[in-house]
Amino acid sequence: EPEVTQTPSHQVTQMGQEVILRCVPISNHLYFYWYRQILGQKVEFLVSFYNNEISEKSEIFDDQFSVERPDGSNFTLKIRSTKLEDSAMYFCASSESGAIYNEQFFGPGTRLTVL
Amino acid sequence: AQSVTQLDSQVPVFEEAPVELRCNYSSSVSVYLFWYVQYPNQGLQLLLKYLSGSTLVKGINGFEAEFNKSQTSFHLRKPSVHISDTAEYFCAVSDGGFGNEKLTFGTGTRLTIIP
Repeated sequence: EPEVTQTPSHQVTQMGQEVILRCVPISNHLYFYWYRQILGQKVEFLVSFYNNEISEKSEIFDDQFSVERPDGSNFTLKIRSTKLEDSAMYFCASSESGAIYNEQFFGPGTRLTVL
Repeated sequence: AQSVTQLDSQVPVFEEAPVELRCNYSSSVSVYLFWYVQYPNQGLQLLLKYLSGSTLVKGINGFEAEFNKSQTSFHLRKPSVHISDTAEYFCAVSDGGFGNEKLTFGTGTRLTIIP
């Protein structure tokens, strides 16, 4: 069964460093998403991506964040200069189309710890 | 703006007992509701969804949920739980705009099954 994969499973970084979180969406999916969950808080939408551009982004997704689909398979989230408050679990998701009846399939997440 | 409230952060239940996980939502537009489950070290998996039609929705693993518009609720139920149901359960809402179906999640309910 196809699945969304994410690497690494856990990333530890120093404040101010750049991190890149990687995701491989399901191969025939066209819409991609990043969500995050700070420990004990809600899963929050960060950004959606379609046709090589951002469809929508939340207030959290400021200039420190960027997304990219560098090749035909990977979808990455970059944080340019990490802050302590960026520590969270980051989930990637993909869906076949943008229609609500198409399920978003989630990856297992990357736990980012900023020291 | 839409939001989801899951009042119970943890629910312990004896094996083979029934369970109800509560979810209340607020939305100013048409609403689409989802329950996701997260097993340890895995991604979020869709349990069931309400898009339209019958207010009683059946999902995988014997779970069902009922959409109640007057009470703005979408509670998840299972008549008899098993050890394998131990997981974190997330309620989510979307306004369903095409290509913009970002999900707004609750804080999750950790279901623990007691043997």
